[in-house]
This record gives sequence, structure tokens and C-alpha cells, in this order.
Amino acid sequence: AQTVTQSQPEMSVQEAETVTLSCTYDTSENNYYLFWYKQPPSRQMILVIRQEAYKQQNATENRFSVNFQKAAKSFSLKISDSQLGDTAMYFCAFREGSQGNLIFGKGTKLSVKP
Amino acid sequence: KAGVTQTPRYLIKTRGQQVTLSCSPISGHRSVSWYQQTPGQGLQFLFEYFSETQRNKGNFPGRFSGRQFSNSRSEMNVSTLELGDSALYLCASSLIGARFYEQYFGPGTRLTVT
Repeated sequence: AQTVTQSQPEMSVQEAETVTLSCTYDTSENNYYLFWYKQPPSRQMILVIRQEAYKQQNATENRFSVNFQKAAKSFSLKISDSQLGDTAMYFCAFREGSQGNLIFGKGTKLSVKP
Repeated sequence: KAGVTQTPRYLIKTRGQQVTLSCSPISGHRSVSWYQQTPGQGLQFLFEYFSETQRNKGNFPGRFSGRQFSNSRSEMNVSTLELGDSALYLCASSLIGARFYEQYFGPGTRLTVT
């Protein structure tokens, strides 16, 4: 069974600094997708960034980028120029193939300090 | 375009009762998935519906059930509620055929069982 591990339960970063959140996963599949979701306090889950396993190029979305290391089964999220609004729980998620459910990590609680 | 909506947002029930939660997907999205979020277990997949058929099911007891209507709206039902069913129940919708098949989440229904 696929598993997703986020080894950092909590992290903090100063405003305007850069922070990297770690995620590793375990699968024997070749066709899969990886996602980072953000869940602000008492607000709904938002998709931050996504990556296809067969694409070597790392995905970027504005201040958010990933470091996808397929052989190492690692999918870390880098947030540049951190803003107070980035304070949230961040979940790494895996999905096998072109359909199917998401498998989530336990999450990393990120606090951005002024 | 309106996002995923869930009703009710908050619910308090007593052990042994049953509850029905509702989810309206984004217009045009025909796949609806349900997740349970608890502090201890994190985010766990309950089931997915597409075209009124359950396509995928997580590892939950039969007390948890769902259905989907012809307009893609979905309901989930929990019978004989237990204290451990207290959780945030999240609904997510997807556009079948989309490249990433990403899931868009609603705000959730906070269920408290006393």
C-alpha cells in the first residue's frame, strides 16, 4: 500500500524568508501524481501545487516550487518570500494513476512569524 | 464558478443517532470524494462516487455509506454514531478527464458526537 510521510510536524519561518517542507512516499507504481495542499486555520483545503511522476521538471507556482526526486521518492515544497498568509497546515498527497483517491501525509503546521 | 459547498457546516449528535451530510460539487464536476479528518488519524479516504456509482471505497465500517444523485450532488450517511466519529468530514469534487484529476475541497462539516 502506498504511504506518505511528512517528518516535520511543525515548522516556523520568519516573514520574507524561505522554508522547505519535506515529504516522502512509498509506491511501486510508475504512474502517479503528487500534490501539496494548504489548509489555513478554520478554512478550507486549497491546492498549492501538483506534479506528474513522469515529468522530471519540477513544478512551480509563483512563490511555491517543489523538489521532486523520483528515485528517492521525495517531494519537498519550497516556499519563497514567506508571507503571514502562508500560515497553515500543509499536506502532501499522493494519487496513483489517472483516477483514484488521495493518500495524505499527517501534515506540517507552518507558522510564519512577523 | 462556485466552489464545493457542504451542508451543514456544524452538527452535534448523540451516540447511537444517525447523520446525513450533503455535498454539492463544482458545476461540471461529476466525481465526488469524501474524506474524514481527525487529529489522530489525519485525512482518510471514505469513498468516491462518479455517475451515481461508488467507484472506490476506503477502509471504513459499513455504518458509513454514501450516494450520488443525477445532478452529481452527494450525501454521506453515518448510522449508529460513535464518539470516534467526531471529525471534520470533507468533500472534494473532480473533473473527469482533467489532466491531473485534481480534487477541489469544500469547507467541511464539523461533526461532534456526544
